[in-house]
Amino acid sequence: GNSVTQMEGPVTLSEEAFLTINCTYTATGYPSLFWYVQYPGEGLQLLLKATKADDKGSNKGFEATYRKETTSFHLEKGSVQVSDSAVYFCALSDHGSGTYKYIFGTGTRLKVLA
Amino acid sequence: NAGVTQTPKFRILKIGQSMTLQCAQDMNHNYMYWYRQDPGMGLKLIYYSVGAGITDKGEVPNGYNVSRSTTEDFPLRLELAAPSQTSVYFCASSPRTGLAVSNEQFFGPGTRLTVL
Repeated sequence: GNSVTQMEGPVTLSEEAFLTINCTYTATGYPSLFWYVQYPGEGLQLLLKATKADDKGSNKGFEATYRKETTSFHLEKGSVQVSDSAVYFCALSDHGSGTYKYIFGTGTRLKVLA
Repeated sequence: NAGVTQTPKFRILKIGQSMTLQCAQDMNHNYMYWYRQDPGMGLKLIYYSVGAGITDKGEVPNGYNVSRSTTEDFPLRLELAAPSQTSVYFCASSPRTGLAVSNEQFFGPGTRLTVL
């Protein structure tokens, strides 16, 4: 079945460091891909998304490119801030049989130190 | 718009008790979902609904029930609470459009449930 695999956390970086969080997926058909962010004590919020191969999603300095050839959707940011400390979830939409379900990775915790 | 609201925020139950977690959305979304998030883990789908009167099981439905009598509300019922149901519960909704598979989900703030 469809699945999402994220790199294990936690990831600890110094402020202004470069961030990469790896995400790979397995899917039949042509899923849409998402990155969600969860700040402490809150629900998930959409960070960015891409709906087809080679699309690049971007928001708040974060970027991810939908790579069908490598089945990946890695999250990157050139210079992280303390306020980026959160848990990041990669997800895909599974629309097999018209169910419109979403599959989430296990999440990667990011801690940014001042 | 309030978005997706959930009540209560916190609850402690004793083993065998029952309760209903409330979820409401004011965005006229067709699709609604219930997830649980265990510590350090991702989200597991409990139940979902594609419209009023239609519900279906997700990955982990045992011990839970849902109903969807209106577009706005999607309550989750726990019968005979067990310690294994200690978790954070999130409700989410998404709209139905021509490209439904590209639609984001909007999440509520969650309900933290402890069963002792």
